[in-house]
Amino acid sequence: AQTVTQSQPEMSVQEAETVTLSCTYDTSESDYYLFWYKQPPSRQMILVIRQEAYKQQNATENRFSVNFQKAAKSFSLKISDSQLGDAAMYFCAWGGGSEKLVFGKGTKLTVNP
Amino acid sequence: GAVVSQHPSRVICKSGTSVKIECRSLDFQATTMFWYRQFPKQSLMLMATSNEGSKATYEQGVEKDKFLINHASLTLSTLTVTSAHPEDSSFYICSAIPRGRHYGYTFGSGTRLTVV
Repeated sequence: AQTVTQSQPEMSVQEAETVTLSCTYDTSESDYYLFWYKQPPSRQMILVIRQEAYKQQNATENRFSVNFQKAAKSFSLKISDSQLGDAAMYFCAWGGGSEKLVFGKGTKLTVNP
Repeated sequence: GAVVSQHPSRVICKSGTSVKIECRSLDFQATTMFWYRQFPKQSLMLMATSNEGSKATYEQGVEKDKFLINHASLTLSTLTVTSAHPEDSSFYICSAIPRGRHYGYTFGSGTRLTVV
């Protein structure tokens, strides 16, 4: 069975600084997707970034980028120039052939002014 | 972009009654919809996968007779919590994948269910 592990229950960062959230996963499938979702206090799940496993190039979306290490099964999220609005729960997720998403337990990010 | 509407956002019901939660894809056809449950300060737990016109596939440990899922059309899936009890109180979230767009998950805004 696929598993997703987020080893940092909580992280904090100063406004305008950079923070990296960790995620590792385990799968025997070769074709899959990885995601980072943000869940603010409203609890709406918001897609932050998506990575296709077959792509070697790391995905980027403005201030958000990932470090995808397929062999190590690692998928970390880097947030640059952190803003107060970035404060939220962040979930790493894996999606494979069944299209079901497997979520990590989440990391609560606090942004300090 | 793809939008999923989930209704109601909050519901309070009495023990023993049933409550229905709707999940609609507003601007796309969803061949597959997913229902999740989220306890406070925890991650999303997949309850079931529903495909239009067929029976839902429930995850292990989820009572299919308590959580009835109907995916009657390509734009609507419903979750009915039957004979609700206080332990069913939780946050329920749906998500949908547009037809032909693999892994293009869009989430509803969730429903907070409180059973009193």
